[in-house]
Amino acid sequence: ETGVTQTPRHLVMGMTNKKSLKCEQHLGHNAMYWYKQSAKKPLELMFVYSLEERVENNSVPSRFSPECPNSSHLFLHLHTLQPEDSALYLCASSQGALRGFETQYFGPGTRLLVL
Amino acid sequence: LAKTTQPISMDSYEGQEVNITCSHNNIATNDYITWYQQFPSQGPRFIIQGYKTKVTNEVASLFIPADRKSSTLSLPRVSLSDTAVYYCLVGDRGTNTGNQFYFGTGTSLTVIP
Repeated sequence: ETGVTQTPRHLVMGMTNKKSLKCEQHLGHNAMYWYKQSAKKPLELMFVYSLEERVENNSVPSRFSPECPNSSHLFLHLHTLQPEDSALYLCASSQGALRGFETQYFGPGTRLLVL
Repeated sequence: LAKTTQPISMDSYEGQEVNITCSHNNIATNDYITWYQQFPSQGPRFIIQGYKTKVTNEVASLFIPADRKSSTLSLPRVSLSDTAVYYCLVGDRGTNTGNQFYFGTGTSLTVIP
């Protein structure tokens, strides 16, 4: 138990569906992240939020839309996804966002399958 | 950018000490070195972090030579449950270089009975 929870743990959706992934951290951290991990590929950073403000967006397609209503919650809204978006989506948090020595605490991930 | 290079995979027998080396030739003065462990279908988990010389905790040791261009994660007496992917990250302290988020391909360690 890392103090970061994600729901749902598994999700199957069609290409025309709209769904949301939720992440919650109970660590009092100020920064939250979304990562994507496809099979046999490295983790890819998608978004970084610091104090509820987006500070990094790594050229992610607009069909992925993040939302950070407060420092404890992070959402990833999904719409019109493609089969190649099937992956493990990981949420993480850290005390600060832009300091290289910060330890990131990861949630268990959401396994997404797009049909 | 201080990206990292690690062996893609390693095998070890149970009970042996495992050393995984990471190269980071372009490491900057303010960079820290952090290692994470990831089991299948789980998020990475912090193992250890260091800046120079040697750091030890209850899980592992981290050796960093004086030039800091490489680092070695040492896992004492591994067990089957240590089978995982191990990532070495180098993080810039002050600016948003993104290196602290670059996990790379990691080293897949397989512990054999």
